[in-house]
Amino acid sequence: AQKVTQAQTEISVVEKEDVTLDCVYETRDTTYYLFWYKQPPSGELVFLIRRNSFDEQNEISGRYSWNFQKSTSSFNFTITASQVVDSAVYFCALSEAKGFQKLVFGTGTRLLVSP
Amino acid sequence: NAGVTQTPKFQVLKTGQSMTLQCAQDMNHEYMSWYRQDPGMGLRLIHYSVGAGITDQGEVPNGYNVSRSTTEDFPLRLLSAAPSQTSVYFCASSPGLPLQYFGPGTRLLVL
Repeated sequence: AQKVTQAQTEISVVEKEDVTLDCVYETRDTTYYLFWYKQPPSGELVFLIRRNSFDEQNEISGRYSWNFQKSTSSFNFTITASQVVDSAVYFCALSEAKGFQKLVFGTGTRLLVSP
Repeated sequence: NAGVTQTPKFQVLKTGQSMTLQCAQDMNHEYMSWYRQDPGMGLRLIHYSVGAGITDQGEVPNGYNVSRSTTEDFPLRLLSAAPSQTSVYFCASSPGLPLQYFGPGTRLLVL
């Protein structure tokens, strides 16, 4: 069975601080995909990144970076120099290759960035 | 392209009432799914479809029916609404790749 754990329910930081959101996953498949989504206060789901299980390279996109480590089954998300606009709920999700249309989500981490 | 659209945006029902949440996509995607989002639970898969005429259950299918008569539409039916179905419902579509496009959501309150 698949499972995604986001142990941090809520994180509060002050603007310009760096923050890391943790994601730990469980799956029996050797081929799978990991995702991060952002849900701002307006409620829509915004896709941030997808990673497949064969690509352990870290990725950086502007102030966002992701660290994928198969050895610890983790896919952590770091925001550098956080901004108020980063305030949102962030979801980590997992899908297996054969059932890629079925996403399993973590419970989300609410990030509050204060000025 | 409008992407994935959902109607209504918000709905209030009384216990026992029925309703259909509409979902449509104009991207010719084969795959469509319904998720519900509850506080502290993340999103959970209700039903999904891999093409017109083909549907299957997700993690929390009880109390919901779906059908897929066209590629574009994937309605979610609540036959007899219960307060436990109060939630935010998201529809998603996928072009056959591990990437889902989500609609804006429907907020449902069952009294």
